[in-house]
Amino acid sequence: SQQGEEDPQALSIQEGENATMNCSYKTSINNLQWYRQNSGRGLVHLILIRSNEREKHSGRLRVTLDTSKKSSSLLITASRAADTASYFCATDPNQAGTALIFGKGTTLSVSS
Amino acid sequence: DTGVSQDPRHKITKRGQNVTFRCDPISEHNRLYWYRQTLGQGPEFLTYFQNEAQLEKSRLLSDRFSAERPKGSFSTLEIQRTEQGDSAMYLCASASRVAVHGDEQFFGPGTRLTVL
Repeated sequence: SQQGEEDPQALSIQEGENATMNCSYKTSINNLQWYRQNSGRGLVHLILIRSNEREKHSGRLRVTLDTSKKSSSLLITASRAADTASYFCATDPNQAGTALIFGKGTTLSVSS
Repeated sequence: DTGVSQDPRHKITKRGQNVTFRCDPISEHNRLYWYRQTLGQGPEFLTYFQNEAQLEKSRLLSDRFSAERPKGSFSTLEIQRTEQGDSAMYLCASASRVAVHGDEQFFGPGTRLTVL
């Protein structure tokens, strides 16, 4: 079963615009991670935010985490055509060594 | 660092045949995971190794599935008597030897299995 639910399922924007994706989850977590997947390929790790953090930045990425609402958001600023991909949030439950639990993902399309 | 590699990248087989996939993790990583991803879904956990020990298996891992990591390095995932429902992308990921709980997982390119 999948814990995370991303919203929206699909997002289409123009180059230069910002893209915001949301993720909700069900159980307590140790951390939450965002991954990108280009069509038919493996996943690339983008950013990890721990349960005691509220916001994190990496380049054009900004992630927030609200553990009281069990939700996270990923903001991509000044999007580029190369950002076109599927984006997944993955939660790491409070158990040592266990696997990540992924949502169904948001498909982002950035047109030039 | 050559990253996580998987072989083959694509496999087409007939229903009822056995298939085996290989994963080579990043060399210093002691944790290795197998996931399965179907179209339009996120990856779903199958099994997890720490060194050579298989510590966790998902209920998705039916009796027809078996995974090994004999020397704590590469891993194999075998599916016996394949069914059409096994068609999916099989992803391998590894994570650091440094036991900081919750480190990122590094994913391979995946093996896409098509069962006819």
